[in-house]
Amino acid sequence: DTEVTQTPKHLVMGMTNKKSLKCEQHMGHRAMYWYKQKAKKPPELMFVYSYEKLSINESVPSRFSPECPNSSLLNLHLHALQPEDSALYLCASSPERGATDTQYFGPGTRLTVL
Amino acid sequence: GDSVTQMEGPVTLSEEAFLTINCTYTATGYPSLFWYVQYPGEGLQLLLKATKADDKGSNKGFEATYRKETTSFHLEKGSVQVSDSAVYFCALSDQGTDKLIFGTGTRLQVFP
Repeated sequence: DTEVTQTPKHLVMGMTNKKSLKCEQHMGHRAMYWYKQKAKKPPELMFVYSYEKLSINESVPSRFSPECPNSSLLNLHLHALQPEDSALYLCASSPERGATDTQYFGPGTRLTVL
Repeated sequence: GDSVTQMEGPVTLSEEAFLTINCTYTATGYPSLFWYVQYPGEGLQLLLKATKADDKGSNKGFEATYRKETTSFHLEKGSVQVSDSAVYFCALSDQGTDKLIFGTGTRLQVFP
């Protein structure tokens, strides 16, 4: 199984809502990532987890709150988002957090904030 | 810091034409290099990778060679198909931070 799954595929939320994005992998990878991708731009790194511990936070606003409950699962909790947060949110995983390790991406969640 | 520069798109080709998408990089040390492809409405898929100088990555008819002397990792395919229409991202893995640094992406459009 070489797949990273993400749910939901699409999400529409108001600025006062609380929602969560979910990412799952069963490849035994110990590093997991959240990226944000705006239209016609490359992905931007948001968070990195290594062995279920947060190792990189790219100065992301606190309205985005990541969580790694176990080695297979990564969540992104959303609260009080702004319309400019509308984007494609991509999850990725890699065997380890290392320069030669390939990151495998999920299909993404397309988020619209009204 | 490390960076990746890709040719501006879109690249428009007829089916069966030869494809080259240029990618050059700036890095300290010896990064790993990657090409990812993103089809419309989808996430990124790894197309190929190379981890050291002179390595050639290949997959689905696409090839790229890690050229340290020219700091390049150009993507090539001998005969493109309509189904190859997508956005192609060149990326390097920064040895200091282990982060993936992406180029801006190149849109490829292939017409029958």
